[in-house]
Amino acid sequence: DAMVIQNPRYQVTQFGKPVTLSCSQTLNHNVMYWYQQKSSQAPKLLFHYYDKDFNNEADTPDNFQSRRPNTSFCFLDIRSPGLGDAAMYLCATSTRNSGANVLTFGAGSRLTVL
Amino acid sequence: AQSVTQPDIHITVSEGASLELRCNYSYGATPYLFWYVQSPGQGLQLLLKYFSGDTLVQGIKGFEAEFKRSQSSFNLRKPSVHWSDAAEYFCAVPTYSGGGADGLTFGKGTHLIIQP
Repeated sequence: DAMVIQNPRYQVTQFGKPVTLSCSQTLNHNVMYWYQQKSSQAPKLLFHYYDKDFNNEADTPDNFQSRRPNTSFCFLDIRSPGLGDAAMYLCATSTRNSGANVLTFGAGSRLTVL
Repeated sequence: AQSVTQPDIHITVSEGASLELRCNYSYGATPYLFWYVQSPGQGLQLLLKYFSGDTLVQGIKGFEAEFKRSQSSFNLRKPSVHWSDAAEYFCAVPTYSGGGADGLTFGKGTHLIIQP
């Protein structure tokens, strides 16, 4: 089945130690998104790629970066994780339409910061 | 900008009883509306969407939702809930930039508890 795969599902890191989360898709969608979801909160969009065009949300901290080397893969890099960055990170994909995009989500990567 | 409000943070329903989760939207024109479900520790799964046409939308897992322009609502319903329906439910609307739709903005979610 076509899907969105996130690795690792669980990541434990130390305060300030860089971490990379990965996302791959077999849907051939041209848009890929990264959302941050803290406990008992709604997902919050960090940034997205439309093909190779990177779009950063205005309030996404500089500590968060992303790479999309090809259509299938996208990475979330957290340069110096703080305790407040502990969250579930959700990758999603879609095609891009003028009206609305239907997002397909991966299972998420849960980040713990010690 | 479009937004959605989910007034109920928690809802408790007995297994086999009917369910209605509320969602109110804020947008001048006809909106695009979505319901997603998130099981514990998992990603989000699309239940159903409304783009246009018939205001009663059927989704997966026996869910339906009705778009009511007069009430600015898109409530999610199920006639008989199962214990496996216990999850977090999110209503969502598209986010737009100059180039078109860019992702979704979610409501704060409603946590559904099923009691035996």
